[in-house]
Amino acid sequence: NAGVMQNPRHLVRRRGQEARLRCSPMKGHSHVYWYRQLPEEGLKFMVYLQKENIIDESGMPKERFSAEFPKEGPSILRIQQVVRGDSAAYFCASSPLAEGTEAFFGQGTRLTVV
Amino acid sequence: AQSVAQPEDQVNVAEGNPLTVKCTYSVSGNPYLFWYVQYPNRGLQFLLKYITGDNLVKGSYGFEAEFNKSQTSFHLKKPSALVSDSALYFCAVRGYDSNYQLIWGAGTKLIIKP
Repeated sequence: NAGVMQNPRHLVRRRGQEARLRCSPMKGHSHVYWYRQLPEEGLKFMVYLQKENIIDESGMPKERFSAEFPKEGPSILRIQQVVRGDSAAYFCASSPLAEGTEAFFGQGTRLTVV
Repeated sequence: AQSVAQPEDQVNVAEGNPLTVKCTYSVSGNPYLFWYVQYPNRGLQFLLKYITGDNLVKGSYGFEAEFNKSQTSFHLKKPSALVSDSALYFCAVRGYDSNYQLIWGAGTKLIIKP
């Protein structure tokens, strides 16, 4: 059973471009969480999705950021018109159930905006 | 409001000595508590969790944690530290009735010196 797969591992974008980050959860997991981590800081919750539904996007900036988890395929975190402040590591985690279970993390995507 | 505190930004321990990484929490109701470890440029790895039952929880790599309800603490411990334990450690909590939202501590950098 492969772990949570994120790609790309590293992504460089110029200011104003779009960034697409992909996350394939572990097999059998229908809950996906996206987090952002700035250097030397902890994790900041962004969004929680179940298949085809956004459950909680309270941690996601209102503009330029969007997330989806379609019926087929990976979850996508999309950042439009990137700015330097978007540079961070973005982690995806998945779990089989919502309650009481640990989440399993991917290796992260390190986004650098130049 | 729910919160997690890791009061030490960094903990230094000599190899072979016992180590403790502190975590205190505040949630309404019973907590689910988690410890994760992050090695440089890697995702987070699950170490252990407390859901219910025995207050002393054993996890991966020889780590254990003690749940103390009266002190609202969940300190991570290991009897004999290894240099390879050097990493960033995160404590997280989920309230019993919050069904998915993990609240994260800011992380503690553990440095084990040979």
